[in-house]
Amino acid sequence: QVQLQESGPGLVKPSETLSLTCTVSGGSIISHYWNWIRQPPGKGLEWIGYIYYSGSTIYNPSFKSRVTILVDTSKNQFSLNLSSVTTADTAVYYCARGDYGGPVDYWGQGTLVTVSS
Amino acid sequence: QPVLTQSSSASASLGSSVKLTCTLSSGHSSYISAWHQQQPGKAPRYLMKLEGSGTYKKGSGVPDRFSGSTSGADRYLTISNLQSEDEADYYCETWDTATRRVFGGGTKLTVL
Repeated sequence: QVQLQESGPGLVKPSETLSLTCTVSGGSIISHYWNWIRQPPGKGLEWIGYIYYSGSTIYNPSFKSRVTILVDTSKNQFSLNLSSVTTADTAVYYCARGDYGGPVDYWGQGTLVTVSS
Repeated sequence: QPVLTQSSSASASLGSSVKLTCTLSSGHSSYISAWHQQQPGKAPRYLMKLEGSGTYKKGSGVPDRFSGSTSGADRYLTISNLQSEDEADYYCETWDTATRRVFGGGTKLTVL
């Protein structure tokens, strides 16, 4: 059973960079697509982007200028960097597996990131 | 880019059935979709994929009470014999040819 676990700071200051890591266990990161999705408090789900194990990425245009997703196959991890954050970026951030042409089928437990000075 | 529209809330009685609807925007009625369940305070859970043929394929461990169907641009999730643990938010998902993903706004299901 594939499991995903997010990790990273729970508090980020405005204008700084939000950085999270997702560790994949119970399966290989190879040959799959790995996504970041967020959920502001009390709101719905918003897809941020994905990375293929080879390193190719696709981002939501809403974030394109601020987001970078990287993969480290040696550690079975992928990461999210979101720059120039504001209070609007306060959300629960989920990492998830969702292959090309298919749905998200495995979700991490999520991690709350609060943007505040 | 497709848009998914869901009713914000629904309610049904314990032991009854409920059918939730997700509607794809014009020009995207053939898109494959999926349903996810988010119980209070928990991460979403993948329920099923709705194939273009109208059939569905469920995720591992999803009870038989959950089923899916399609009619034109509408995607349905039917839950039979409602249980208290079915009280949750339900999200539909779709994706374009580059697998850029979109989620509906979610339906909050209350079990009475």
